[in-house]
Order: sequence, then structure tokens, then C-alpha cells
Amino acid sequence: GNSVTQMEGPVTLSEEAFLTINCTYTATGYPSLFWYVQYPGEGLQLLLKATKADDKGSNKGFEATYRKETTSFHLEKGSVQVSDSAVYFCALSNGGADGLTFGKGTHLIIQP
Amino acid sequence: DGGITQSPKYLFRKEGQNVTLSCEQNLNHDAMYWYRQDPGQGLRLIYYSQIVNDFQKGDIAEGYSVSREKKESFPLTVTSAQKNPTAFYLCASMGRTSGGDLNTGELFFGEGSRLTVL
Repeated sequence: GNSVTQMEGPVTLSEEAFLTINCTYTATGYPSLFWYVQYPGEGLQLLLKATKADDKGSNKGFEATYRKETTSFHLEKGSVQVSDSAVYFCALSNGGADGLTFGKGTHLIIQP
Repeated sequence: DGGITQSPKYLFRKEGQNVTLSCEQNLNHDAMYWYRQDPGQGLRLIYYSQIVNDFQKGDIAEGYSVSREKKESFPLTVTSAQKNPTAFYLCASMGRTSGGDLNTGELFFGEGSRLTVL
């Protein structure tokens, strides 16, 4: 079956630091990959996505590249801000009726 | 604005009571989903529906029930049979691709309902 593994937090960084949150997956075929962000007390919002190998998704300074050879979709940002503090979820979809398979989430804390 | 509305945002329930969480969407999406979120466990799928009057169990359906009488609405009932109902509940929907395939793979979420059993 499908599964997503991501580093568990909390991950604590200083403002302007470089961010990497690792995500690897197991799936049949060629899934689409996603990063969602959840701010405190809210639902999840799509941050970025990639639908085929070597695609790079990007949004709000965040980037992730779909690496089929390493089955990875690591999230990166060059300079984080306090406002980036949130929980980040990696997810995949094979287009199945049951939606997405999510990782357990990574809590990111950015200190001023 | 198009989106998903969940209500209530906070809900308290006594043990032994059923409670229904509302989820309404005006995105014209066919597919709708209910997830449960617990600290450190990510999102777990409770029920999903691809079309009106049809729905399927997810990974943790025991103690929950749903209905899909209208395309826009997918209410979740947490019954007294659910052993540990205190959690954050998220409703989501998904649209079709431009080519008409069933799922784009992109979920749109509501803001969630936090249920506490006293």
C-alpha cells in the first residue's frame, strides 16, 4: 500500500535559517506529491505540489522536487520567517477514490 | 468565496451522546472526505464519498456514520460507540480534472471542528 514518512518534530530554527523537511514515500505507479501547511487551530492548506518525476513545486519561497530515484519530496526554504511556524504535511495521491495518504506531520517552530 | 464550511468550530459532549458535525461546500466538488487528527498521528480517514447517496468507510470508520443526501453536504455523526472521540475533525473535498477524471489529487479543507468529550 501507499505510505509517507516524514521527519517528526518539533523542528526549531532561528529566523533566516535554511529549512529542510525530509519526506519519502512508498507507492505503486507514479503518484502526485503534495505539501500541505496547517497553522494553529486551522485546516490544511495546499502549499505546493508536483505531478511527475523531476517536477519542482514552489510557493511562498518554499520548494520541493519530485525525485523518483530516491522516492523523495523534501521541502526546502532558503530563509525562514517567524510566520512560517506551522505543521507541515507531506502527502501523495495515486488518483484513487480514497484521496490522499498523509505523513504524520512536522511541527516547525521559528524563533526570532 | 468558494470554500468549505465546518460547524461548529468547538463542541463539547457528554459521554453517551451522539453529535453531528456539519460540512458544507460550494466548490461543486463531487468527492468529500472526513479526517480525524490526533497529536502525533497525522490525518486518518474516517469516511469518504465520491457521489451523492454513496459513501465508503475509511481506515477508522468504527463509531462514526455519515450521509450524502446533497452534493454540497457531508455531515459526520460521532456516535456513543466511538471509544475515544475527543479529536480535531477535518472535512475536505476534491474536484475532477479538466479531462473529467474523478480526482485531481488536491484536497480543499475546512477549518475543522474540535470535539471534546467531558
